[in-house]
Amino acid sequence: TQLLEQSPQFLSIQEGENLTVYCNSSSVFSSLQWYRQEPGEGPVLLVTVVTGGEVKKLKRLTFQFGDARKDSSLHITAAQPGDTGLYLCAGGGIQGAQKLVFGQGTRLTINP
Amino acid sequence: NAGVTQTPKFRILKIGQSMTLQCAQDMNHNYMYWYRQDPGMGLKLIYYSVGAGITDKGEVPNGYNVSRSTTEDFPLRLELAAPSQTSVYFCASSYLALAFTDTQYFGPGTRLTVL
Repeated sequence: TQLLEQSPQFLSIQEGENLTVYCNSSSVFSSLQWYRQEPGEGPVLLVTVVTGGEVKKLKRLTFQFGDARKDSSLHITAAQPGDTGLYLCAGGGIQGAQKLVFGQGTRLTINP
Repeated sequence: NAGVTQTPKFRILKIGQSMTLQCAQDMNHNYMYWYRQDPGMGLKLIYYSVGAGITDKGEVPNGYNVSRSTTEDFPLRLELAAPSQTSVYFCASSYLALAFTDTQYFGPGTRLTVL
C-alpha cells in the first residue's frame, strides 16, 4: 500500500491549459515536498511546505499544503512543453522519522 | 562542486552475482540516502546515514548492505543479486539535521538489470 497517493498517475494536455495534481494521505506529515524528475536524471526539489494551509508560488506553479497536513496539490497555469516531466510528492516527519516517503508520481506531458 | 556522483550509470548482473554501487558527495552533507525507483512506484528508501559510521534501514533494506566510513562516500552493496532488484538506484544527500525540511540533492542514478 502506498502511504502517499498521487493522482492522476498520467496526464497529457495541450499547451496553455491549466492542471492540478493531487497528493493525498491518511497520515499527518510535518512537511511536504514536491520534486520534478526529467528522464535519465534524479529528482530536483521544487518546493517545501511545512504549515497547514500554506500556499507557495513558483512562477506558474502553485503549491498548497492541506489544513490538516495530510494532503497537497500542485496547480500549473498555462502549461508549457517545458513543464513535461515526472512530478513526485514526498512527505516528511511521519511519526517523527527523519526521512521522506514518496508518492508514486504523476507523469505529465504537455503537447505543443 | 560536482554535487552527488554515482557510478556506474548502467550495469547488467547475472542472478547470484554481487556488486557495489558507488556514491560520493562533495557538499559536506551529513545525511545520505539510497533509494530505488521502480516503474510507477515512486522512490523507496533502502538505507540512510546520518553521519560517518552511522547507518539505518529504510523501507526496503532486504538484499542490500551499506557502510559509511567517510562523510563523502556511501556505497551500496548488493549480495546475491535477484531479478527483483532490477531497478534504478538513486543516491541523495542533505545537510540539515531535520532532513525532511531540507533540500535533498540526488545523483543521476544507476540503472541495474538482473538477468
